[in-house]
Amino acid sequence: EAGVAQSPRYKIIEKRQSVAFWCNPISGHATLYWYQQILGQGPKLLIQFQNNGVVDDSQLPKDRFSAERLKGVDSTLKIQPAKLEDSAVYLCASSSSPINQPQHFGDGTRLSIL
Amino acid sequence: GESVGLHLPTLSVQEGDNSIINCAYSNSASDYFIWYKQESGKGPQFIIDIRSNMDKRQGQRVTVLLNKTVKHLSLQIAATQPGDSAVYFCAENYSGGSNYKLTFGKGTLLTVNP
Repeated sequence: EAGVAQSPRYKIIEKRQSVAFWCNPISGHATLYWYQQILGQGPKLLIQFQNNGVVDDSQLPKDRFSAERLKGVDSTLKIQPAKLEDSAVYLCASSSSPINQPQHFGDGTRLSIL
Repeated sequence: GESVGLHLPTLSVQEGDNSIINCAYSNSASDYFIWYKQESGKGPQFIIDIRSNMDKRQGQRVTVLLNKTVKHLSLQIAATQPGDSAVYFCAENYSGGSNYKLTFGKGTLLTVNP
């Protein structure tokens, strides 16, 4: 089966600019996650969707980050305006169920803020 | 702070030796655990998982051991190969209430010397 697809792979922007990331999960996976991974650390959950509804966005900086999954398949994550500390890899993952099923990750988007 | 941690941040082994990567978790209510392998520039790759009603699970060249008494998880890799060089993360899943959240540790860098 095809894995989780993410684009772009790399993005360089200046602080205060906006940026958007796209994710296409594994076909049939109802649960979709966005993670932020800072260099040298494990991934940190930003937001979790079940179909097109938000299950958990408690760690999403809502003043600048937003995410949507309008049709319950693809998802976009946006940052506006970006700050220097947003430099990280943004990973998308999906799973067939949020309960005791492994999450499968894409290769992420590496974001650099100048 | 992190609820999942690793005892050893780096591990260096000779090709052909067995590797053991350890992980401590703090949430006694966690009921599902996953080991991921992350190579440079890629997303975390699922290796093996284990549910809390088990204490051992084997895959191809990998074994995960779970000791709930001391809240300890380990990943054993048999006959380690250069392709096993990567960062390994353990992750715990807490499924209390209606939210199921996967929490990652900081990772262990495994280096396999030829």
